[in-house]
Amino acid sequence: QQPVQSPQAVILREGEDAVINCSSSKALYSVHWYRQKHGEAPVFLMILLKGGEQKGHEKISASFNEKKQQSSLYLTASQLSYSGTYFCGTDPDSWGKLQFGAGTQVVVTP
Amino acid sequence: DGGITQSPKYLFRKEGQNVTLSCEQNLNHDAMYWYRQDPGQGLRLIYYSQIVNDFQKGDIAEGYSVSREKKESFPLTVTSAQKNPTAFYLCASSLQEKLFFGSGTQLSVL
Repeated sequence: QQPVQSPQAVILREGEDAVINCSSSKALYSVHWYRQKHGEAPVFLMILLKGGEQKGHEKISASFNEKKQQSSLYLTASQLSYSGTYFCGTDPDSWGKLQFGAGTQVVVTP
Repeated sequence: DGGITQSPKYLFRKEGQNVTLSCEQNLNHDAMYWYRQDPGQGLRLIYYSQIVNDFQKGDIAEGYSVSREKKESFPLTVTSAQKNPTAFYLCASSLQEKLFFGSGTQLSVL
């Protein structure tokens, strides 16, 4: 079952913050985050393993609440380069067979 | 330069025709995957292969077939049984759970 992402889209001005949420109905081993720019392949951002750890990539960070089966991606002080569609991928059993959410489109304007 | 090469970039299929999408990697990764991307639906797993000469169905395998005769290659055939093949197809390989994607093939029906 695919995880549910929210919001579907967000528009930001440069320097603003945003949060993207990812929820699963299954217990999870890990959550992955990818960003895809229009017409390009998705690019890996980070993996979070069960244990509630938080990770960061530039000014993008994420958390994973294993008990709630949720992950959140935080875009801090957004830059124009952050524009794209963000996907979460969930893995229930460490086999690498990811289920992806429908994506959140992020537009950062000057 | 290591990476994943998908070809062709654009492909057109006539009704009743089988078409094959190519995916080659020189990253020496064992696991390879095929995903289908439709607008607003994220990525859905078609087939995956953890090792040469072995592959498993993903969530939407009907109407598709694959082979894995070599570590570097994981071609996907879209058969005439797939009634709605128009989509963007992404091939990926993985190392330590991180997915590396090719640049994709856009398949359209004539």
